[in-house]
Amino acid sequence: NAGVTQTPKFQVLKTGQSMTLQCAQDMNHNSMYWYRQDPGMGLRLIYYSASEGTTDKGEVPNGYNVSRLNKREFSLRLESAAPSQTSVYFCASSGGTSGITDTQYFGPGTRLTVL
Amino acid sequence: EDQVTQSPEALRLQEGESSSLNCSYTVSGLRGLFWYRQDPGKGPEFLFTLYSAGEEKEKERLKATLTKKESFLHITAPKPEDSATYLCAVQLYTGGFKTIFGAGTRLFVKA
Repeated sequence: NAGVTQTPKFQVLKTGQSMTLQCAQDMNHNSMYWYRQDPGMGLRLIYYSASEGTTDKGEVPNGYNVSRLNKREFSLRLESAAPSQTSVYFCASSGGTSGITDTQYFGPGTRLTVL
Repeated sequence: EDQVTQSPEALRLQEGESSSLNCSYTVSGLRGLFWYRQDPGKGPEFLFTLYSAGEEKEKERLKATLTKKESFLHITAPKPEDSATYLCAVQLYTGGFKTIFGAGTRLFVKA
């Protein structure tokens, strides 16, 4: 039981490049989330998916897109990376179906640097 | 504006020296408060959920308590392996569910 897995663990991009961060969970959870974590700030929600086939914007969605590929997988795409998107990105999942309603379990993170 | 503030930002303790971390919040529609532990280079790990004022939860050397305005994470006789960043998060409902994380308290425990 791996829990929540994320790939890649590290990535360096140049401004304007695109990339997709992958996330998968094996806990049969309905809800999945993408957060970013910056020094001195709390985790901030980018997008979430309350169930397969639905996605909603969080606090800081600009510059990102997401895809809930199936119940297990939730990807985050940066279409044109900017230095302001340098951060650590965490994927999380929870069992609830009504939005962000219960305990979230986190992946190990992706450390992204945009030059 | 809904807000979650954790204090202190950093705390240095000697092994065995008990202390408390604070999480204060000004939100409406609180549904629950969560505590997480985060080790360097890793994702947050769930510790506790508290739902109502007066509730307490314990796990090993950690005890979490909740009032109407704040939560405390009490650490009794800490060990070096308790060194980590402790995050609190509040879950609220204001027409839709939302979770707000505090910035965390970095705890250092010296042997």
